[in-house]
Amino acid sequence: NAGVTQTPKFRVLKTGQSMTLLCAQDMNHEYMYWYRQDPGMGLRLIHYSVGEGTTAKGEVPDGYNVSRLKKQNFLLGLESAAPSQTSVYFCATGLAGGTTQYFGPGTRLTVL
Amino acid sequence: QQQVKQSPQSLIVQKGGISIINCAYENTAFDYFPWYQQFPGKGPALLIAIRPDVSEKKEGRFTISFNKSAKQFSLHIMDSQPGDSATYFCAALSGAGSYQLTFGKGTKLSVIP
Repeated sequence: NAGVTQTPKFRVLKTGQSMTLLCAQDMNHEYMYWYRQDPGMGLRLIHYSVGEGTTAKGEVPDGYNVSRLKKQNFLLGLESAAPSQTSVYFCATGLAGGTTQYFGPGTRLTVL
Repeated sequence: QQQVKQSPQSLIVQKGGISIINCAYENTAFDYFPWYQQFPGKGPALLIAIRPDVSEKKEGRFTISFNKSAKQFSLHIMDSQPGDSATYFCAALSGAGSYQLTFGKGTKLSVIP
C-alpha cells in the first residue's frame, strides 16, 4: 500500500500562474485535509473534506480551491499564485471524527 | 488567535536525558490531544495521543502528562536518543462537530551524543 501520495514533490511557479496539487490515498479514509507548513507557524489547515463530493474551509482558505470528486483523491488548486503561497503543502487523510491523521510526504512550492 | 501555545521553540538535550515539551490550550471544548513527530523532509506522523479523562499516558519512552484544570499537557521523552531528533507538534481537537486539528507551532528537538 502506498498510503498517502502527493504529486508533484517540488514546483516553482511565477506570480500569477496556476497549478493543481494532487493527493491520492489508498487507505479508504473518508476525511482528507490540505495543510500548509511555514517556518515557525506550525501546520495550518487550508481546506478539508469529510467525504466524496464535500469540501469545507479551514483556517487559511483564501487563494486556494479544492475538489473531492473521487473518494481517493483530493485536489488543491492555486488559481493565481502569489509569493505568500510559497510553502510546503501537506495532504492528510483521517479516520472518522478527525482524530488520527496520516500525512503525505509534502510538496515544496516556491512562487517567484 | 493561537489556540494551542507550544514551548520551547527549540530544545537541545544530551543523549540519555529527558526532553520535555509543553503545550497550553484555551478552548475547553478540546477533548483529544495528539502529538506528532516530523523528521526533516517528511510528513508528520502520530506519536502518541491522550483524552482528558486520564492524566497520563505512556508508550515506551514517550509519556503525555495532562492537567485539565490548568489546560496544559506535555510530552516527556525519557532516555532521549539522537534518533529522536525531530520537530514535535502538539495538537488539539474539539469533539463538538469539528474535524479540525489545531496545531502548536512546533518544537525542534536536537539530541546530542
